[in-house]
Amino acid sequence: DSGVTQTPKHLITATGQRVTLRCSPRSGDLSVYWYQQSLDQGLQFLIQYYNGEERAKGNILERFSAQQFPDLHSELNLSSLELGDSALYFCASSPQAGGSTDTQYFGPGTRLTVL
Amino acid sequence: AQTVTQSQPEMSVQEAETVTLSCTYDTSESDYYLFWYKQPPSRQMILVIRQEAYKQQNATENRFSVNFQKAAKSFSLKISDSQLGDAAMYFCAYRAFQGGSEKLVFGKGTKLTVNP
Repeated sequence: DSGVTQTPKHLITATGQRVTLRCSPRSGDLSVYWYQQSLDQGLQFLIQYYNGEERAKGNILERFSAQQFPDLHSELNLSSLELGDSALYFCASSPQAGGSTDTQYFGPGTRLTVL
Repeated sequence: AQTVTQSQPEMSVQEAETVTLSCTYDTSESDYYLFWYKQPPSRQMILVIRQEAYKQQNATENRFSVNFQKAAKSFSLKISDSQLGDAAMYFCAYRAFQGGSEKLVFGKGTKLTVNP
């Protein structure tokens, strides 16, 4: 158990809908990262938040957005869902913004199925 | 752009034997970190081992060790005394820091099967 929690574990929804994925980082970790794992694209970095502020952006679509709250939990919002958005979404956390001793620890993931 | 290549989509090993998973990467940066993550059927991503590029000594964690060849940009994972629980997808990952933010790039993964 990494200490990172994600809810829900599974999510099934229809095209065009909007969903919210939630992540609670390990106690004391200030950074949260979101990743998408799909069969064709592999593991892709979406976005990083550090202490409530956006820190780095990867291959995140404009239909997707995220935020990190004062209690450091984070939410990933996916809107206007398409079939291709079906994937496993991971959250990871690390103590800092990415320093010499920083290592990312992953949550169990949320499996999103878009029908 | 940084890339990570795992040339072996699948590997198999007999229980108690040793197996080596390959990883190469491409970067022009000098300060970076490399990782191996394990993803068992539960889909959890588990950190196996990490290597700092500035360290010449290869990292070791119990039965897991790496062969880091910086000039060749190679970072292979050796699993000794393989166990059934080692069966999983293994991902090589590269992390670099740029202007206060970081990027993490994963390879496509190697599926390891352990035969009893």
